[in-house]
Amino acid sequence: AQTVTQSQPEMSVQEAETVTLSCTYDTSESNYYLFWYKQPPSRQMILVIRQEAYKQQNATENRFSVNFQKAAKSFSLKISDSQLGDTAMYFCAFMVPGGSQGNLIFGKGTKLSVKP
Amino acid sequence: DAGVIQSPRHEVTEMGQEVTLRCKPISGHNSLFWYRQTMMRGLELLIYFNNNVPIDDSGMPEDRFSAKMPNASFSTLKIQPSEPRDSAVYFCASSSPGTGYEKLFFGSGTQLSVL
Repeated sequence: AQTVTQSQPEMSVQEAETVTLSCTYDTSESNYYLFWYKQPPSRQMILVIRQEAYKQQNATENRFSVNFQKAAKSFSLKISDSQLGDTAMYFCAFMVPGGSQGNLIFGKGTKLSVKP
Repeated sequence: DAGVIQSPRHEVTEMGQEVTLRCKPISGHNSLFWYRQTMMRGLELLIYFNNNVPIDDSGMPEDRFSAKMPNASFSTLKIQPSEPRDSAVYFCASSSPGTGYEKLFFGSGTQLSVL
């Protein structure tokens, strides 16, 4: 069974600084997707970034980037130049394409607070 | 596009009552998913539909839960009878081949409180 672990329940960072959120996963699959979702107080789940396992290059989206280490089954999220609007719960998620399509396996989340 | 629309945003009911949650997926999306979020269990997939047909309902907790998708633009999740342990946030999400099946768009969720 696939599992996703986020070992940091809460983190804080000063505005404009950089923070890294950790995620590890366990799977025997070779082809899969990894995601980071943001859930602000408004509650909506927002896709931040996506990584295909077959791609060695780390995904980036503006201030958000990942460090994907396939052998170590690690998928961390780096937020650069943190902004107050980045305050939210962040969920790491995993999906195997095909099969039970859409079955995102989520971690328990990391609560990030950006302080002015 | 208005995104995935869920209603109601909040629902408070008493134990034993029937509850119906509603979802309108993004137009053109042919896959629809219902997730539940609780503090204890996090986010879990309950059921998903492809082209209005239920494909996997293994996450539905018990027979008190049922979901339907009568057409491509509407789905319901019903709980009858409701119990306090059903209190959670229920999310609907949709996706399509055009945006990549793996890219799910979530609604704002329904906060359900069963007293």
